[in-house]
Amino acid sequence: EIVMTQSPVTLSVSPGERATLSCRASQSVSSNLAWYQHKPGQAPRLLIYGASIRATGIPARFSGSGSGTEFTLTISILQSEDFAVYYCQQFDDWPLTFGGGTKVEIK
Amino acid sequence: QLVESGGGVVQPGGSLRLSCATSGFVFSSFYMHWVRQAPGKGLEWVAFIRYDGTNKYYADSVRGRFTISRDNSKNSLYLQMNGLRPDDTAVYYCAKDFAGGYRVFDSWGQGTLVTVSS
Repeated sequence: EIVMTQSPVTLSVSPGERATLSCRASQSVSSNLAWYQHKPGQAPRLLIYGASIRATGIPARFSGSGSGTEFTLTISILQSEDFAVYYCQQFDDWPLTFGGGTKVEIK
Repeated sequence: QLVESGGGVVQPGGSLRLSCATSGFVFSSFYMHWVRQAPGKGLEWVAFIRYDGTNKYYADSVRGRFTISRDNSKNSLYLQMNGLRPDDTAVYYCAKDFAGGYRVFDSWGQGTLVTVSS
């Protein structure tokens, strides 16, 4: 099983600032990596797939990068609605696995 | 739209069948998944089924106890859960596969809560 590790666990950021979230795979997943946003009581939302392709309707302030084992999600200018938990997920091999999540909270 | 149902409280060792009613897309053309989130924990992929039901994958934690199925004539997805354990307690989401070779989830239901407790 491919283990996905996200860091930090919690990220405290002020609105208007940049947030950088990391995701590491225990083995190469090529570019087979997705990012999701999850708010309490809501369904998760697909942000990025293929490591860097924004899903339909996702604002340009969200960007993904990386390949192999190291990936980054960047939120360029944090807005109030961006405070949430973010998960990475690999789809290079079965079983599909998620990282443990990074909570982006208001500083 | 994806709407789950069938959650509830069940004793350890018991069974439960979750359903997911879908609309707004051609259900029979898409792969589907179940994903769960235990209280205070992260997301965990549970099961996958091909558009025609001919291929299925499961997480190690549920293999042999859970069975994913679908009825394309009813635009519905199912998860039969047997031998339930307390660590199966979670919100269960059905999720639509993005397709195009990307095994990611581009549409999710609101989830149904399963509680395994005596």
